Amino acid sequence: ETGVTQTPRHLVMGMTNKKSLKCEQHLGHNAMYWYKQSAKKPLELMFVYNFKEQTENNSVPSRFSPECPNSSHLFLHLHTLQPEDSALYLCASSHGGGGAVETQYFGPGTRLLVL
Amino acid sequence: GQQLNQSPQSMFIQEGEDVSMNCTSSSIFNTWLWYKQDPGEGPVLLIALYKAGELTSNGRLTAQFGITRKDSFLNISASIPSDVGIYFCAGQRGWAGNNRKLIWGLGTSLAVNP
Repeated sequence: ETGVTQTPRHLVMGMTNKKSLKCEQHLGHNAMYWYKQSAKKPLELMFVYNFKEQTENNSVPSRFSPECPNSSHLFLHLHTLQPEDSALYLCASSHGGGGAVETQYFGPGTRLLVL
Repeated sequence: GQQLNQSPQSMFIQEGEDVSMNCTSSSIFNTWLWYKQDPGEGPVLLIALYKAGELTSNGRLTAQFGITRKDSFLNISASIPSDVGIYFCAGQRGWAGNNRKLIWGLGTSLAVNP
């Protein structure tokens, strides 16, 4: 397996459900990202982890909870979501470490529908 | 949050035609990236630009880092059906702190008629 993988690719959940999105990168990178992609909007950065430490939280509601157990894995735990949270959730990774261009490599995304 | 102005918003062209799209910002950037996103997939990096005036090619794709450092251009020559997708620009203003965050355009949706 190469690059950045995400599971599941599609997810339908009710507003009271709890689910988790998983991302794994096989690029030897140290930084990982969660983005939300909605129609007619630019990519919205949600969370950034650098060497397993969360370095950015862009005012994301607490119903989204990230977890980064190591530099290769990133999770997004979902709880009590709203219909407006329906979107494509993209994971990305980059070399990290600061002082350089952070060219990001993306996974295929998880298409989430909240009913 | 800040976003880049990307145009055109969409294009519908005939196979074999050349395509031009651009991205502008009110701020100076030190890096420009161009990505393509196919339906149901994540964005894939096409070209990265690091220096004002830089012109870089990747097959039939050519991108330029504008001299003012506030814009970038992507050209596709002799388009083919597999060029269909959404093309995104992204820029980075600096190396430290909040300037390292990528700023994204809304994308240019390209359709190619065979």
